[in-house]
Amino acid sequence: QVQLVESGGGVVQPGGSLRLSCSASGFSLIRSSMHWVRQAPGKGLEWVALIASDGSRISYADSVKGRFTISRDTSKNELYLRMNSLTAEDTAVYFCASDSGNYKFDSWGQGILVTVSS
Amino acid sequence: QTVVTQEPSFSVSPGGTVTLTCGLTSASVSTSFYPSWYQQTPGQPPRTLVYSTNRRFSGVPDRFSGSILGNKAALTITGAQADDESDYYCVLYMGGGIWVFGGGTKVTVL
Repeated sequence: QVQLVESGGGVVQPGGSLRLSCSASGFSLIRSSMHWVRQAPGKGLEWVALIASDGSRISYADSVKGRFTISRDTSKNELYLRMNSLTAEDTAVYFCASDSGNYKFDSWGQGILVTVSS
Repeated sequence: QTVVTQEPSFSVSPGGTVTLTCGLTSASVSTSFYPSWYQQTPGQPPRTLVYSTNRRFSGVPDRFSGSILGNKAALTITGAQADDESDYYCVLYMGGGIWVFGGGTKVTVL
C-alpha cells in the first residue's frame, strides 16, 4: 500500500529556512517521479517542484526557483524540500505526490503546514 | 506567464450533468498537455480522478469522464451525487518538467 507522510513543517520567521521531508512506503522513489505541491490558506493548488524517477530532471515553479531545492535519499526512500528566504507568500500546506508515469499525480500525502510569520 | 483557467464555480442538481473546463490564456489545450483532474474536499489531500485527458484513475466511478472540448480540456460529471460537491482542479504539463494548476472550480450539488 502506497503511503506518503510529510514532516518538518511549522512556524518560521520571514527570511528563515525550513526543510520538509516526505517518507514514502509501498513503492520505491527510484521508480517514481516525485512532486511538491502547495496550497495557501483558502487558495488553490500550486505546483512547486519535480524530481524525476532517475534523478535526471529537477524543475521548479518560477515562484520558488532559486530559493527552494528538491532532493531525495533513495536509501531512506525519502523526498525533501529545502526552503530558503521564506516570505509570507510561502505560507501553505505542502503536499508531496508521486508520479508513477503517464503524467499524473497518483498518490498524495496528507500535507504539512508551513507558516511564515514574525 | 502561463495561466490555466477554470470556472470559479458551478452548480448542478442531483442526478444532473456538469462539464468543467480547463483552458489556457495563450494557447489551445490539447492532449499534448496531458491534462489531469483532481477532486478535493476541505482539509483533505486531492484525489486523482482523470489523467492523460481521458483515462480514469483506479477506483474512480465512470460518471467522471475527461475529454477535449474545442480548445479546452473538460471534466464531465454525469449523474451528479451529493458527495461530488467538492473543489476540482485541472493541471497541465507545460513541458520541460513544468506543471501548472488551474485555479479550481467549486462544484455545488443542490
